[in-house]
Amino acid sequence: DQQVKQNSPSLSVQEGRISILNCDYTNSMFDYFLWYKKYPAEGPTFLISISSIKDKNEDGRFTVFLNKSAKHLSLHIVPSQPGDSAVYFCAASDGNTGKLIFGQGTTLQVKP
Amino acid sequence: EPEVTQTPSHQVTQMGQEVILRCVPISNHLYFYWYRQILGQKVEFLVSFYNNEISEKSEIFDDQFSVERPDGSNFTLKIRSTKLEDSAMYFCASSAKGQRAPLHFGNGTRLTVT
Repeated sequence: DQQVKQNSPSLSVQEGRISILNCDYTNSMFDYFLWYKKYPAEGPTFLISISSIKDKNEDGRFTVFLNKSAKHLSLHIVPSQPGDSAVYFCAASDGNTGKLIFGQGTTLQVKP
Repeated sequence: EPEVTQTPSHQVTQMGQEVILRCVPISNHLYFYWYRQILGQKVEFLVSFYNNEISEKSEIFDDQFSVERPDGSNFTLKIRSTKLEDSAMYFCASSAKGQRAPLHFGNGTRLTVT
C-alpha cells in the first residue's frame, strides 16, 4: 500500500535554516492531510493539518503547503531548531472515515 | 493537556499466548483506533471503533484480534495466540470527531513475541 509516500528517508539541515519535508499521495479521494512528529519511544504527535479546500496552513514555525494537482504536500519548518530533530510522518484521510494512511517517515536532523 | 495513555509500555510474551494491550483515550473523545508499527516499517492502521462497535478494520485485523471498550474509560486490543510476526509497537489513538480531525496517539506498547 503506497498511497502516501515520503521518498526522502532522511534530511539534515543547519540550525536556523529552513527544513522542507515532502510527501506525495496517489489517492485523489484524500481530502485531509496531516503532519506528525515522532521522537523515539513516544507516539506520533500531531503538528499541523490542512484541508483540501486550502493550499496553505501556517502555525508558528510550521507551514504546510498542498498542491492538489500534483498530489503533493510539504512541511516547512523555519527557523529549524535542534529540538526539531525527529521522524516526521505525513498522513492522509479520505474524509469518509477518520482512518489515517501514513507515509514511511523522514528523519530530520537539525545540527547546531 | 489531555493525553492518551497506554499500558504496559513493554510486553514480552511467548508465541501462542494471548495478550491484552490497554489504552485510556482522551476523556471526551468518541473515536478510537489501534495502529501498529513493525520495526523499520510504516505506521499501519488496524481498526477503528465508535459507539461500541468496529467502524472499519484492515486486512491485518483478522480473527486473531479483537477490541473492546469494557467500561467508560478503557479501550483494549486483544491478540489471541500471538505469532512472532506480531512483534511491533502498538499505538492507540483517539479523536473528537470521526472525520477530518487529528488523531491523538499514546506512547505505544512494545510487544515482543518470543
